[in-house]
Amino acid sequence: GAGVSQSPSNKVTEKGKDVELRCDPISGHTALYWYRQSLGQGLEFLIYFQGNSAPDKSGLPSDRFSAERTGGSVSTLTIQRTQQEDSAVYLCASSSTSGAHNEQFFGPGTRLTVL
Amino acid sequence: AQKITQTQPGMFVQEKEAVTLDCTYDTSDPSYGLFWYKQPSSGEMIFLIYQGSYDQQNATEGRYSLNFQKARKSANLVISASQLGDSAMYFCAMRVARGSTLGRLYFGRGTQLTVWP
Repeated sequence: GAGVSQSPSNKVTEKGKDVELRCDPISGHTALYWYRQSLGQGLEFLIYFQGNSAPDKSGLPSDRFSAERTGGSVSTLTIQRTQQEDSAVYLCASSSTSGAHNEQFFGPGTRLTVL
Repeated sequence: AQKITQTQPGMFVQEKEAVTLDCTYDTSDPSYGLFWYKQPSSGEMIFLIYQGSYDQQNATEGRYSLNFQKARKSANLVISASQLGDSAMYFCAMRVARGSTLGRLYFGRGTQLTVWP
């Protein structure tokens, strides 16, 4: 079956522009996660969706970041008024449940470059 | 608070030799899962192996094994018979079963493994 897919694979934008990053999880996976990977910060948790529950937004670095998950499947991460420090690889992962004993499967990531 | 520590920024091993990548963790939650992921230069995160906090035996998956020492809070990854294709960044990660941080992975900073011929 298909794995987690993300689009675009690369995105170059100018400072101040808005960007949307898309994640399509593995079919049937109820839990979806966004992480950010940058050289200085390693892998950072951003946001987590579990079924119809309210998302855990505790990792979002500022109010310029938001995410939604429509119909319990596809998710979009939106960054408004991008800054150069937003440059990173944005990784999406999904899991069959949010339990501690289930692995998360990662997508290939979106490399965001803010000029 | 949950924390994962990987103290080896880089490791080198000769092909066909075994190598151990260190990982220590900290959590007050009695139920947790420990994971190792491999990230080659292509950037994808590949799940390697999982160890549950209540598992009595060390996990094994092919050439990968996890040396789980619960009292010492360590979960070292052992790769036997290294191959050139094992050259990659390796991340140790943890998930806990309860609380406000349910579900998310906590990652270490990673260890860059280089296998030489």
